[in-house]
Amino acid sequence: GAGVSQSPSNKVTEKGKDVELRCDPISGHTALYWYRQSLGQGLEFLIYFQGNSAPDKSGLPSDRFSAERTGGSVSTLTIQRTQQEDSAVYLCASSLDSPGEQFFGPGTRLTVL
Amino acid sequence: AQSVTQLGSHVSVSEGALVLLRCNYSSSVPPYLFWYVQYPNQGLQLLLKYTSAATLVKGINGFEAEFKKSETSFHLTKPSAHMSDAAEYFCAVRNTGGFKTIFGAGTRLFVKA
Repeated sequence: GAGVSQSPSNKVTEKGKDVELRCDPISGHTALYWYRQSLGQGLEFLIYFQGNSAPDKSGLPSDRFSAERTGGSVSTLTIQRTQQEDSAVYLCASSLDSPGEQFFGPGTRLTVL
Repeated sequence: AQSVTQLGSHVSVSEGALVLLRCNYSSSVPPYLFWYVQYPNQGLQLLLKYTSAATLVKGINGFEAEFKKSETSFHLTKPSAHMSDAAEYFCAVRNTGGFKTIFGAGTRLFVKA
């Protein structure tokens, strides 16, 4: 009966390094979303996965960002060559169907030095 | 394209006073509308949602919102604020035919004793 989990909870990295953020959605949820929440700003949509359909990547800010979802479950968001402006809280959410409620994970706080 | 505008990044009310958080949306098709709340250092949780049924939607913790198509609004209200209502509130919109959800920038609610 666990909710959405994300790891790590905090990540500090140096500029130019690659990072991987993980999301474990609620079992059985077909849709998975990634958002970015920068300090003092709202949620910025990044990408979502729905079942076996091609993901909607329209929110990814640059080609340094990519995400995959293996087996329709766990998802990994990868940021290559991190920049200081990538510092933010990255939130993952999952939902069962449309217009199902999105259940959010606690987020990963990324700090790029 | 869908968009959400939350009027006022900060709202301050006295304990016991009316809470009114404003949200206007734009959507080319009938939308689903949501209000989420984010307490300090926590993830987002759903307060309420409009899914084309009753235009007045009641949510948790005494909050409610009214969908007004003519005004393209979905304002959140609560008759009497409580100290525990202090949090950040996000309005969100999604097309009925899809999963992509657009969030507003958020409104931080302060409750004064």
